[in-house]
Amino acid sequence: DVVLTQTPSTLSATIGQSVSISCRSSQSLLDSAGNTYLYWYLQRPGQSPQLLIYLVSNLGSGVPNRFSGSGSGTDFTLKISGVEAEDLGVYYCMQATHAPNTFGAGTKLELK
Amino acid sequence: EVQLQESGPGLVKPSQSLSLTCSVTGYSITSNYWGWIRKFPGNKMEWMGYISYSGSTSYNPSLKSRISITRDTSKNQFFLQLNSVTTEDTATYYCARYRVIRAFDYWGQGVMVTVSS
Repeated sequence: DVVLTQTPSTLSATIGQSVSISCRSSQSLLDSAGNTYLYWYLQRPGQSPQLLIYLVSNLGSGVPNRFSGSGSGTDFTLKISGVEAEDLGVYYCMQATHAPNTFGAGTKLELK
Repeated sequence: EVQLQESGPGLVKPSQSLSLTCSVTGYSITSNYWGWIRKFPGNKMEWMGYISYSGSTSYNPSLKSRISITRDTSKNQFFLQLNSVTTEDTATYYCARYRVIRAFDYWGQGVMVTVSS
């Protein structure tokens, strides 16, 4: 199975600070058709996961544009440009290029 | 609006079967794909499998001998059965809609299942 390594595991931020989360894959996530099936989810405390970013860099429905995704091949990044209180929770990357789909271990974003 | 709701027992004994229902409103399960994901204590997430609009299924090979996903289109529900459970199956189980772009875009609120005697 593809292993996704997220760093850091915990991230402390102040409101308004910009932060980044890294997701590195054990294999390239580019498929033979030129698609890269890499996603980002946020799970707020007590809630179910929410789709933030799909196909590396596309914003999910209703997701604020302070969130952005980038990367290619094996290295991907989620950036939050100006953390807000509602952004606290656990962030996961997920790949769906190689079966079975796999998730990263999660990055917990907390207030400093 | 698409809504999903899991239901089922919160406690299952070891060696027994875990059975959960996902009730979908606002969208027909005869379109798109419908999946199950679980989150273990400590945050690890695992994709379990899905059932397609046509009723075909795909499972995580790590579960393939124990898992079954079925559906009742008349009730707009799909189901998870996991056989021969152990304490390692203790988790929060989520159902979700799985789009052709391979994203889970709508999730249920999750149901916590504990495997214990």
